[in-house]
Amino acid sequence: EAGVAQSPRYKIIEKRQSVAFWCNPISGHATLYWYQQILGQGPKLLIQFQNNGVVDDSQLPKDRFSAERLKGVDSTLKIQPAKLEDSAVYLCASSFRRTVASTDTQYFGPGTRLTVL
Amino acid sequence: AQSVSQHNHHVILSEAASLELGCNYSYGGTVNLFWYVQYPGQHLQLLLKYFSGDPLVKGIKGFEAEFIKSKFSFNLRKPSVQWSDTAEYFCAVTPSGTYKYIFGTGTRLKVLA
Repeated sequence: EAGVAQSPRYKIIEKRQSVAFWCNPISGHATLYWYQQILGQGPKLLIQFQNNGVVDDSQLPKDRFSAERLKGVDSTLKIQPAKLEDSAVYLCASSFRRTVASTDTQYFGPGTRLTVL
Repeated sequence: AQSVSQHNHHVILSEAASLELGCNYSYGGTVNLFWYVQYPGQHLQLLLKYFSGDPLVKGIKGFEAEFIKSKFSFNLRKPSVQWSDTAEYFCAVTPSGTYKYIFGTGTRLKVLA
């Protein structure tokens, strides 16, 4: 089966500019996750969707970050305006998980490496 | 706040040496536990997971992990490492009944041929 797709793979922007990342999860996966991974740290969950609804966005800096998953399939994460500290790898993952009571494995995409100058 | 600690940030071993990477979490309830691995140039992939049952879990490529509830630990082990095990290893925890997924900071393993 095809894996989680992300684009672009690399992006370099200047501070105060805007940027958007795209993710297409594995077909049939209900849950989609966006993570931020700063160099030397583990992935930090930014937002989690169950189908097209948000179930957790407690760590999303909502003054500058936004995300949507309009049709319960692919998703876009946007940063506007970007700051130097947003330089990181942005990972998308998906899982089949249908309810909070169930547990399963996340499958990760290759990530987008963002550099803010 | 819930957290996951991986105390070994960098580990260097020679081939055939034994490996043990520590993982401790802070959460008093039931948890699901994972180890993920990221090989150079590749994306994160699951190594093994524990949901319930036998606390000794076997994963891919000869890795295993033991859940010790009293110690809030889920350490990763491999009896004899290979050069191809060079990678970064992440421990992750999901408190049961939640959607939260909490990762540790990772351990970079370098295996010398």
